[in-house]
Amino acid sequence: GAVVSQHPSWVICKSGTSVKIECRSLDFQATTMFWYRQFPKQSLMLMATSNEGSKATYEQGVEKDKFLINHASLTLSTLTVTSAHPEDSSFYICSAKDSLLQPQHFGDGTRLSIL
Amino acid sequence: AQKVTQAQTEISVVEKEDVTLDCVYETRDTTYYLFWYKQPPSGELVFLIRRNSFDEQNEISGRYSWNFQKSTSSFNFTITASQVVDSAVYFCALTPPSNEKLTFGTGTRLTIIP
Repeated sequence: GAVVSQHPSWVICKSGTSVKIECRSLDFQATTMFWYRQFPKQSLMLMATSNEGSKATYEQGVEKDKFLINHASLTLSTLTVTSAHPEDSSFYICSAKDSLLQPQHFGDGTRLSIL
Repeated sequence: AQKVTQAQTEISVVEKEDVTLDCVYETRDTTYYLFWYKQPPSGELVFLIRRNSFDEQNEISGRYSWNFQKSTSSFNFTITASQVVDSAVYFCALTPPSNEKLTFGTGTRLTIIP
């Protein structure tokens, strides 16, 4: 149980393009989803926390207008990187949990490369 | 503020050797959760264990064991009889009582040499 699916796995696109990444909880209802960013050989840094039906809470230093998060249902959250530039190239990974009692379960991540 | 320190950046051991990954944490909370995650080369994060700060019992799961010592704020992870498939980056992490924001350590890259 507790499977989180993230799509797409890889994205390569031109600078200026907007890219949408989906995170789905397949076998549970995710009341809270999290988005992390990981640069090569570095740790995971939390970008934002989203609760179903409400606005995401962004960590300090994360641009809200750059990284749009939508958590429209209990099984789906999306991260849209708007007008992506090469410095946005990174590994983005989501996680989801269904209650305070359960640990976060992670998706497989999305490797984003902006040319 | 919370902080997780994994002082070992990279470790290499020969297959079948035992290896211990260190994790030291800082928190002002009296209750918290500690985690270990495995990140293989493919990139996904695999949940290994969660430990409540009230539970200081050591835990063993197959070749994996965890030593939680609240007195020294450490939560070390030992792999016994290591295998090549254990090669990965291992992250220790910490959350406050609300079990929301995970604070990750910088990770330890473990390489098992056949």
